[in-house]
Amino acid sequence: KQEVTQIPAALSVPEGENLVLNCSFTDSAIYNLQWFRQDPGKGLTSLLLIQSSQREQTSGRLNASLDKSSGRSTLYIAASQPGDSATYLCAVLRMTGSARQLTFGSGTQLTVLP
Amino acid sequence: DVKVTQSSRYLVKRTGEKVFLECVQDMDHENMFWYRQDPGLGLRLIYFSYDVKMKEKGDIPEGYSVSREKKERFSLILESASTNQTSMYLCASSHSRDRISYTQYFGPGTRLTVL
Repeated sequence: KQEVTQIPAALSVPEGENLVLNCSFTDSAIYNLQWFRQDPGKGLTSLLLIQSSQREQTSGRLNASLDKSSGRSTLYIAASQPGDSATYLCAVLRMTGSARQLTFGSGTQLTVLP
Repeated sequence: DVKVTQSSRYLVKRTGEKVFLECVQDMDHENMFWYRQDPGLGLRLIYFSYDVKMKEKGDIPEGYSVSREKKERFSLILESASTNQTSMYLCASSHSRDRISYTQYFGPGTRLTVL
């Protein structure tokens, strides 16, 4: 059974710092990996998606990497801003027969202090 | 823009009540999903549906049922609500023809409290 772990559970940094969020998964047979952002009391917004054949994806100040063989992904946020404060979730897409199911980590709650 | 809406943002019910959570998407997506989100546990899949009148159990279906009578609407039903079903419930949808990313689009969530 696929398990996804995110470390740390919470992180607080001063504005302007670069930071890395970690995600690990137990079964390397994934189709893709996604990073989501969730603001308090809100739904999920997709930030980056990496296909299993890819190594990284970039969007603005965000860069996500994937090492499928070791079961790890990182989300790098450059020059953090208070508006980046949110919970960041990673999820892996697995194929189970005809099903396409996402398995989520429990998230990292990020606070960027002004 | 894809829009997934959920009928209530906040809901308070009593133990033993029958509860309906409604989800509607406007992008003609075939696939719809119900998750619950709890602190420290992330999102866990309750049920999903590939088509009208089709349903499949996810990882934690016990205590829940679903209904998909129309393509755009997917309902989660708690037959007899219990306090351990207090949680944030998130609905999502995706297009079957998206065979590259299988991107799921999420609604804003319903925070259910069972007293």
